Amino acid sequence: GAVVSQHPSRVICKSGTSVKIECRSLDFQATTMFWYRQFPKKSLMLMATSNEGSKATYEQGVEKDKFLINHASLTLSTLTVTSAHPEDSSFYICSAKYGSQFFGPGTRLTVL
Amino acid sequence: QQQVKQSPQSLIVQKGGISIINCAYENTAFDYFPWYQQFPGKGPALLIAIRPDVSEKKEGRFTISFNKSAKQFSLHIMDSQPGDSATYFCAAIPRGKLIFGQGTELSVKP
Repeated sequence: GAVVSQHPSRVICKSGTSVKIECRSLDFQATTMFWYRQFPKKSLMLMATSNEGSKATYEQGVEKDKFLINHASLTLSTLTVTSAHPEDSSFYICSAKYGSQFFGPGTRLTVL
Repeated sequence: QQQVKQSPQSLIVQKGGISIINCAYENTAFDYFPWYQQFPGKGPALLIAIRPDVSEKKEGRFTISFNKSAKQFSLHIMDSQPGDSATYFCAAIPRGKLIFGQGTELSVKP
């Protein structure tokens, strides 16, 4: 139980385009989901907390207009990286709260 | 202070040995301490967790020791195996958010 999926697992896009990443809780409902960013050999950095039916809460220093988060249902949250640039290239990981936090497998974003 | 300090940064252990990873925190509002295991290119997976009213928790080869007065907790991996080679993160939870340690890259040599 407590499985979280992410799609896509890898995405390559051109600079200036937007990319959407989906996070789904497969066998439970999650009112709260989280989005993290991880650089190589570094720890996970919390970007935002996503609550179903309400606006996401962003951590200090995270641009809310650049990283759009939508949590439209109890099993789906999406992160859209708008006007992506090479510095946005990273490993993006979501988690869903079901007692503890359960993490998705991550999405590797490469912006050319 | 919203920090969790983790050490060592990297660890090499022989197969069958004991791997020990340490974490320290300052904020007494932290009330839940999970450990996560992450393989390259994958998301973290919950390994074991402890609450501050318990001094030790064991699940199979994994043990968390918790010292509330010292604000320290550690992960012990007994009989370490090459398959345990991964990055381990300690974490603490204040108000529902995970605060991660810096991570420890464990390599178990056969």
